[in-house]
Amino acid sequence: DIVMTQSPDSLAVSLGERATISCKSSQSVLWRSDNKNFLAWYQQKPGQPPKLLFYWASTRESGVPDRFSGSGSETDFSLTITSLQAEDVAIYYCQQYYRTPYTFGQGTKVEI
Amino acid sequence: QVQLQQSGPELVKPSQTLSLTCAISGDSVSSDSVAWNWIRQSPSRGLEWLGRTYYRSKWHYDYAVSMRSRLTITPVPSKNQVSLKLNSVIPEDTAVYFCVREPLADGIFKWFDPWGQGSLVTVSS
Repeated sequence: DIVMTQSPDSLAVSLGERATISCKSSQSVLWRSDNKNFLAWYQQKPGQPPKLLFYWASTRESGVPDRFSGSGSETDFSLTITSLQAEDVAIYYCQQYYRTPYTFGQGTKVEI
Repeated sequence: QVQLQQSGPELVKPSQTLSLTCAISGDSVSSDSVAWNWIRQSPSRGLEWLGRTYYRSKWHYDYAVSMRSRLTITPVPSKNQVSLKLNSVIPEDTAVYFCVREPLADGIFKWFDPWGQGSLVTVSS
């Protein structure tokens, strides 16, 4: 199985400041034939299901504010929130869809 | 807009069968461009992919190895639903269970979107 490891487990950021979350996979999730990374990011708020933020590592889902950005390739990825807003308080997960069993990171809790 | 509405018992006794149903609106369980997944979430195991079904000329099923002996995912085209049955449950099966849609295009399975609302199932006597 591909192991997904996020860091940190939690971080506290002031309003308007930058938050960066790292996600590392135990194997490359880059599909070389079309140069796509099979990596997604989700946001989960209390009592809600996860919500898709990014796919292909850096393609923003419709409706996601542009203060969110995704980057990285192969085994190293990151999610950045450039100017944290109160509504961004949540747990963020990365997930590989390169092969089954699909696996998720353990989550990073972002707080104010 | 695709919506997934889950239903099923919230309390199941150990050794019994956990059954959940996911009613799909805005899409078809028989679509050849989608897979229907079940994922669960618990404090001890985090988000755990359980398995999926999809239709490409026939029905296909993929299960996590750890669940293969106990899990059955069944499409119900007549009701546009997908169901989950987990046999011989133990307390460690206590979790929030999600029904989740996965786009499929050009033979490539993709991300999870959207997710059902989640069903908290507790295994306890």
